[in-house]
Amino acid sequence: DVKVTQSSRYLVKRTGEKVFLECVQDMDHENMFWYRQDPGLGLRLIYFSYDVKMKEKGDIPEGYSVSREKKERFSLILESASTNQTSMYLCASSSFYGTKYQETQYFGPGTRLLVL
Amino acid sequence: QKEVEQDPGPLSVPEGAIVSLNCTYSNSAFQYFMWYRQYSRKGPELLMYTYSSGNKEDGRFTAQVDKSSKYISLFIRDSQPSDSATYLCAMKETSGSRLTFGEGTQLTVNP
Repeated sequence: DVKVTQSSRYLVKRTGEKVFLECVQDMDHENMFWYRQDPGLGLRLIYFSYDVKMKEKGDIPEGYSVSREKKERFSLILESASTNQTSMYLCASSSFYGTKYQETQYFGPGTRLLVL
Repeated sequence: QKEVEQDPGPLSVPEGAIVSLNCTYSNSAFQYFMWYRQYSRKGPELLMYTYSSGNKEDGRFTAQVDKSSKYISLFIRDSQPSDSATYLCAMKETSGSRLTFGEGTQLTVNP
C-alpha cells in the first residue's frame, strides 16, 4: 500500500512565523503535490514537483514556497504565516510511469494549521 | 466558471438508500475520472477510477462516465452509515499529472 505521511496533524502558529510542513511518501513516486482545502473552495493546488529539485506553481502559490531535496520528501514553507493561511493542508503523490491506475494521486492524512 | 462542478450538498439519506452523486465538467480533454472518499478530518482516499467513457462496478459502488454530456456519476447501493463522508470527483487529461477536483459532496447516511 502507498503510504504518504505528513509531519503534523495539527499546528498552531502565530502571524509572521515561518512554518514548515513536511510530507514523505514511501512508494518511490516521481510526482508530489501540496493542496489546501477550505470549505466552499474545495482542493486547491499550491505547488507540485515532478522530480527532485524541480517545482511547478499550482493555482495559488502566493505566500508559499516548496523544497524537494530528496525524492521521497516534499516540504511546504509558509515564509511569513498569515491568518488567511489557516487551512487544511494535504500532500499527495503519484507515479509518472507505469499503468494508468498508478497516475492517480494518493493523499496523506492532512495537517490542520491554525494561524493566530 | 469552474472546470468541474459538483453540488456540495449536504445530502442526507436513510440507511439502505441508493445514493447518486454527480459532477459536470467543461474540459473535453479530460480522459481519466476518479472518485475520492474523504472521512472527516482525514485525507481523501481513492474509491473508483475510470478511463474514458463507460461504467465500472466495485461492490456496492458504480462509477459512470458520459463524455458526450461531460457528466460523471457515482452510485452507492444499499448505503451504510459507514459511507458517511465527503465524496470528491477528480479528473485528469491524458498528458500531465495534475488533477482537477470538484468541491466535494457531503453525504450522511442515517441508521
